Amino acid sequence: DTEVTQTPKHLVMGMTNKKSLKCEQHMGHRAMYWYKQKAKKPPELMFVYSYEKLSINESVPSRFSPECPNSSLLNLHLHALQPEDSALYLCASSQDPGPEGGEQYFGPGTRLTVT
Amino acid sequence: GNSVTQMEGPVTLSEEAFLTINCTYTATGYPSLFWYVQYPGEGLQLLLKATKADDKGSNKGFEATYRKETTSFHLEKGSVQVSDSAVYFCALGYFGNEKLTFGTGTRLTIIP
Repeated sequence: DTEVTQTPKHLVMGMTNKKSLKCEQHMGHRAMYWYKQKAKKPPELMFVYSYEKLSINESVPSRFSPECPNSSLLNLHLHALQPEDSALYLCASSQDPGPEGGEQYFGPGTRLTVT
Repeated sequence: GNSVTQMEGPVTLSEEAFLTINCTYTATGYPSLFWYVQYPGEGLQLLLKATKADDKGSNKGFEATYRKETTSFHLEKGSVQVSDSAVYFCALGYFGNEKLTFGTGTRLTIIP
């Protein structure tokens, strides 16, 4: 199984809402990533978890809060978002941290719209 | 800092045409180089990679050679198919560093 699953596929939320994005992999990977992708742009790294610990936070606003409950799950908690946060949010995983740690497998993403 | 420059898109080709998507990079040391592909409505998939100078990555008929002298990693395919229509991203990374630096992406459309 080389699949990374993400739920929901689409999410529309108001600026006062609290919601969560979920990501799951069962490949035994030890690194998991959150990316944000705006239309016609490359993915931008947000967070990296290595061995269930946050190892990289790319100066992401605190209205985005990641959580790694166990080695297979990665959540992204959203609160008080702005319309400019509307984007495709991609989760990825790799066997080990770093590009030599193996291929990053991406999920299909959650299309988020903030109204 | 590190950067990746890809040719501007969109690129439109007829089926069975020869494809080249240019990618050049600016980086210190010895990065690994990658091509990722994103099909419509999907996440990214690793297409191929090369980890040292003169390495050639290949997959699904696509090839790219790591040229340190020209700091390039151009993607080529001899005969494209409609199913190759996607956005292609060139990227670089370093051993022990989780962060990938992506190019801006090149949208490829193949017409029958």
